[in-house]
Amino acid sequence: QQPVQSPQAVILREGEDAVINCSSSKALYSVHWYRQKHGEAPVFLMILLKGGEQKGHEKISASFNEKKQQSSLYLTASQLSYSGTYFCGTSSGGSNYKLTFGKGTLLTVNP
Amino acid sequence: DGGITQSPKYLFRKEGQNVTLSCEQNLNHDAMYWYRQDPGQGLRLIYYSQIVNDFQKGDIAEGYSVSREKKESFPLTVTSAQKNPTAFYLCASSIGWTTEAFFGQGTRLTVV
Repeated sequence: QQPVQSPQAVILREGEDAVINCSSSKALYSVHWYRQKHGEAPVFLMILLKGGEQKGHEKISASFNEKKQQSSLYLTASQLSYSGTYFCGTSSGGSNYKLTFGKGTLLTVNP
Repeated sequence: DGGITQSPKYLFRKEGQNVTLSCEQNLNHDAMYWYRQDPGQGLRLIYYSQIVNDFQKGDIAEGYSVSREKKESFPLTVTSAQKNPTAFYLCASSIGWTTEAFFGQGTRLTVV
């Protein structure tokens, strides 16, 4: 079952912030975040493992709340290059390597 | 250079024909995945494999088949039983669920 992402789409002006949410009905052991430009392969942003950690780079970070089975991706001071579709992928861990992705959030950053 | 390669990039087939999409990786990854991408549907898991000679159905396996005879290779066959095969297909590999998945460049399949 696919994790649920929200919002489905967001439009920003350069320099604005955005939050993309990902939630699952199943217990999570890891959450992956990827960005895909049109017609290209998804590119890895970060992975969060069970433990409620927050990680990321200076302008793109993420949190993981395994009790709520949710993760959020934070984009601050957005740049034009941030435009694309963002996907979260989730895994229930253990001996099962199944990795399931959401429907994506289309982010458009305008000048 | 290590990576994951899908071929061909574009593929056209007539309705009723089976077609096989290639996916090869030289990253020494145990796990390999096939996803289907349609507009507005995100990445839907077709099949995945954790080890050679073993694979599991994903969420939309009907009409597809796979094999994993070698660690590097995970071909996907789209059979004539797949009712709506036209889509963008992505292959990925990883060490496991705790690590980054690397994606191929995808194959766009059009069935006419």
